[in-house]
Amino acid sequence: QKEVEQDPGPLSVPEGAIVSLNCTYSNSAFQYFMWYRQYSRKGPELLMYTYSSGNKEDGRFTAQVDKSSKYISLFIRDSQPSDSATYLCAMSQSSGDKLTFGTGTRLAVRP
Amino acid sequence: GAGVSQSPSNKVTEKGKDVELRCDPISGHTALYWYRQSLGQGLEFLIYFQGNSAPDKSGLPSDRFSAERTGGSVSTLTIQRTQQEDSAVYLCASSSAYQPQHFGDGTRLSIL
Repeated sequence: QKEVEQDPGPLSVPEGAIVSLNCTYSNSAFQYFMWYRQYSRKGPELLMYTYSSGNKEDGRFTAQVDKSSKYISLFIRDSQPSDSATYLCAMSQSSGDKLTFGTGTRLAVRP
Repeated sequence: GAGVSQSPSNKVTEKGKDVELRCDPISGHTALYWYRQSLGQGLEFLIYFQGNSAPDKSGLPSDRFSAERTGGSVSTLTIQRTQQEDSAVYLCASSSAYQPQHFGDGTRLSIL
């Protein structure tokens, strides 16, 4: 069993929909949680960075962390075709430590 | 540019050859990381450098893989006697203290 599990999708939604992306993990030592977006043939781009449990909002994006359930989520409101990409969750035990990634979820937003 | 720079962007080589991949981190970033992204395995950690500390090599898959970081800046990942299973995208990231990692666009390595 992998340390971080992520549904690979693909996930297809109409423009304007709310998208929910999720990861579960098994290592309770993880304290820092990230979401990256990756376009084809590009490197991962940081979207959200959170520490411990709680919510963080940035524009159309909201990240949630529930350490008691070992579950993290990324919500995208008013999704746009430009949001079509692969979304990777990542986590680490301490700031600056190596990251452990989920396998990524492919998202397609239909115009 | 302001981002992490990797070269070459693509590399095709024959099985058994050695390859060197280069990473130029964001200026001032003290930490530098190498990851590998392949279809079957996703994104996997290889090695990281933090300031003057000994590197964490715990993710290197075999002794054919090595990396160095000169002058606390540019890093080179070397793969000796390449095998077909080494085909992947090799990604470099850098970060400053207590900040998240920022990635380059990677080197796409193909072993014939």
